[in-house]
Amino acid sequence: NAGVMQNPRHLVRRRGQEARLRCSPMKGHSHVYWYRQLPEEGLKFMVYLQKENIIDESGMPKERFSAEFPKEGPSILRIQQVVRGDSAAYFCASSHQGQDQPQHFGDGTRLSIL
Amino acid sequence: DQQVKQNSPSLSVQEGRISILNCDYTNSMFDYFLWYKKYPAEGPTFLISISSIKDKNEDGRFTVFLNKSAKHLSLHIVPSQPGDSAVYFCAALIISNFGNEKLTFGTGTRLTIIP
Repeated sequence: NAGVMQNPRHLVRRRGQEARLRCSPMKGHSHVYWYRQLPEEGLKFMVYLQKENIIDESGMPKERFSAEFPKEGPSILRIQQVVRGDSAAYFCASSHQGQDQPQHFGDGTRLSIL
Repeated sequence: DQQVKQNSPSLSVQEGRISILNCDYTNSMFDYFLWYKKYPAEGPTFLISISSIKDKNEDGRFTVFLNKSAKHLSLHIVPSQPGDSAVYFCAALIISNFGNEKLTFGTGTRLTIIP
């Protein structure tokens, strides 16, 4: 299965710790997107990256959150000093370059903050 | 500001009948509209899309209709099957010079197909 791979599927952290979420895009996809879903809500855009570039981070909280998509390896969403409100499902999606290319989603990482 | 709205949080339909899921939007700059289906503990799965320059797109049992003047789109599933029970998200995007841009999602409609 060459789909979007996210790990870990579940991550538990204590308040103040760091959380690292990983996303390997589908083979051949050069665009990566991160979304967050809070309980009973739709997915909210966080950040859009291409290799080594952040294209749009308008949905990222200004502090504690960062994302990267290095030349080699998966995309990483990093949350420093986690708080209870960070508990959510975090989804990664990837797509091909070009118009009307649908985004394909991974199964998400469910982050729980104790 | 919720730019994409799904006003029905849930919908129940008899197996074999037509399911109609509705979506409204406020931003006239959207270029594409998409429907995703989501099962619990899984990521959204792309179903069907439609360009803003079209009014209908059909793929098997799924048809999406777009009414630009009303800023409304709908997904028709016919005939409905038990496996269609899931949460359906309407999403929209604006094409930029970089290619596809971020998806703006509605809050979802939970579809239950009654056997």
